[in-house]
Amino acid sequence: QVQLKESGPGLVQPSETLSLTCTVSGFSLTSYNVHWVRQPPGKGLEWMGVMWSGGSTDYNSALKSRLSISRDTSKNQVFLKMNSLQSEDTTTYYCARDSPYHGGYFDYWGQGVMVTVSS
Amino acid sequence: DIQMTQSPASLSASLGETVTIECLASEDIYSNLAWYQQKPGKSPQLLIYDASSLQDGVPSRFSGSESGTQYSLEINSLQSEDAVTYFCQQHHDYPLTFGSGTKLEIK
Repeated sequence: QVQLKESGPGLVQPSETLSLTCTVSGFSLTSYNVHWVRQPPGKGLEWMGVMWSGGSTDYNSALKSRLSISRDTSKNQVFLKMNSLQSEDTTTYYCARDSPYHGGYFDYWGQGVMVTVSS
Repeated sequence: DIQMTQSPASLSASLGETVTIECLASEDIYSNLAWYQQKPGKSPQLLIYDASSLQDGVPSRFSGSESGTQYSLEINSLQSEDAVTYFCQQHHDYPLTFGSGTKLEIK
């Protein structure tokens, strides 16, 4: 069945770089887009960026200067790297699968990984 | 960016009642609107896409509608497990944007 699972450090020092991995199963990264979405505690959702099935990427302009998304199709993994982390980057990060019709909505989500930015 | 104004922020209703949550888009999103349900400590789950299409496995007491740039999620015959948080999301243009959420409580 379709699964996505985020992994990464729970704690990152201010100004350092966050590296997260989304490991997927049950579908191919070359057929489905995978997005990253984040959610501060008790708050709303923010779309961060997307790895298109064709291998290109797009980013939220608010994060574009700090964000990089890549993938390894042989390992069924999508990676997120974001630099210059600050306290406002303390949030839960999700990867999510785009719909079968690439509609820009998310039919499967990972469980999320909570990241705290603190010294 | 397209702004999604969701209301109300919180809502209290009795079991068996019908409730409506709304999202107003800052511009025409051509029915490209999704609704999600999020239980505490869990990831969001897709309820509705394309404004009114029910995702597989979602109970039929959930329905979506639209009027211009105003989109609505209706929950009929409210059940205890429906007392969680709901978000709208426009999927018309990038960056994809979400409403601020509605927390539904049972009286």
